[in-house]
Amino acid sequence: QVTLKESGPVLVKPTETLTLTCTVSGFSLSNARMGVSWIRQPPGKALEWLAHIFSNDEKSYSTSLKSRLTISKDTSKSQVVLTMTNMDPVDTATYYCARQTRYYDSSGYYYLFDYWGQGTLVTVSS
Amino acid sequence: SYELTQPPSVSVSPGQTARITCSGDALPKQYAYWYQQKPGQAPVLVIYKDSERPSGIPERFSGSSSGTTVTLTISGVQAEDEADYYCQSADSSGTYQFGGGTKLTVL
Repeated sequence: QVTLKESGPVLVKPTETLTLTCTVSGFSLSNARMGVSWIRQPPGKALEWLAHIFSNDEKSYSTSLKSRLTISKDTSKSQVVLTMTNMDPVDTATYYCARQTRYYDSSGYYYLFDYWGQGTLVTVSS
Repeated sequence: SYELTQPPSVSVSPGQTARITCSGDALPKQYAYWYQQKPGQAPVLVIYKDSERPSGIPERFSGSSSGTTVTLTISGVQAEDEADYYCQSADSSGTYQFGGGTKLTVL
């Protein structure tokens, strides 16, 4: 059974750095076809993809947030960590981690967000 | 990156067909995916590769693509289908985009 669970602070102050951890089970972070993405959703608003990491340490970041984000993984602990610097009240959101599975067809590689964590609400306020 | 545009809301009566569109310049070159999100829950994948349905998703959910627009169709809408629906795609640089979401109301 595949599960992902986010953990981290509920409340952070403006200008602080947010560190979130995604602990996975039911699959290995060393599986070449699987990675983990972070996605956030401000209250009442749309989903926004933030970053992903794959088993070979391939990383990608949202263009608009790239300067503030760092994603890493600890395969032995089955954890993926996201840090976001210089937090602002507009960063208040539910933060999800999701498994990405890589497939290949005649058009090339494609990726599914096939399992999601329950999400963790992070509020940025002084 | 680029934008994916969805209508904010769609309303249908039970048993009717709901169609939710998503427009984006890269959609002719990239697959589209659809997620269903109910209040307080994480999104669930309902369509991938424009028109494929994951196991466990009811047959009433289908997807199609034409040019820069993809469409999620829900045939014979049921009350339990009331949710927010998001389209998603990728760009050639390996980043991902979600549409603004469409709230489906079952009257």
